[in-house]
Amino acid sequence: AQRVTQPEKLLSVFKGAPVELKCNYSYSGSPELFWYVQYSRQRLQLLLRHISRESIKGFTADLNKGETSFHLKKPFAQEEDSAMYYCALSGSGYSTLTFGKGTMLLVSP
Amino acid sequence: NAGVMQNPRHLVRRRGQEARLRCSPMKGHSHVYWYRQLPEEGLKFMVYLQKENIIDESGMPKERFSAEFPKEGPSILRIQQVVRGDSAAYFCASSPGTGLSDEQFFGPGTRLTVL
Repeated sequence: AQRVTQPEKLLSVFKGAPVELKCNYSYSGSPELFWYVQYSRQRLQLLLRHISRESIKGFTADLNKGETSFHLKKPFAQEEDSAMYYCALSGSGYSTLTFGKGTMLLVSP
Repeated sequence: NAGVMQNPRHLVRRRGQEARLRCSPMKGHSHVYWYRQLPEEGLKFMVYLQKENIIDESGMPKERFSAEFPKEGPSILRIQQVVRGDSAAYFCASSPGTGLSDEQFFGPGTRLTVL
């Protein structure tokens, strides 16, 4: 069975501080990992995916197969980063997504 | 492109009634996914459909729930004889269906409340 764990329900930081949202997964094959974000009153949208190896809005995430982790990082948080962040997994040869419970990021001025 | 549309945005039903949730995918998308989000939980996969076909319904409860995506018109998620435990946000996503790693685009969700 595949599972995604986001251990923090809420992460509160000050503007300019580094941010790391944790995500661990359980999957026997080669998964594809994603981070989705939901800003207040907006729909869920893709932030980044591990295969693209991009930095979006200053966020990066590296897939660590040894630790089965896909943590989301940003060196300097901004107030507009405040949102709900979901880590998700798609199994190899499959397109449906398994989501974690989400982490609310609050960036204070 | 208006994006994925869902209606209604809010739906209130009494126990025992039927709920019908609609999802219109993005233009050009032929794959639809339904997810349910219970309070304090992440989104959980329910069903994956292509036009006129159910590809994967492994996340659907065995009773009272059904889904369709007809050749014409929106995808419908139908819940018969609703119970209080069905109260949740139901999200629809669509993808173009060109590859296994297609990005899924999400609708705004339908919030179902069962009284």
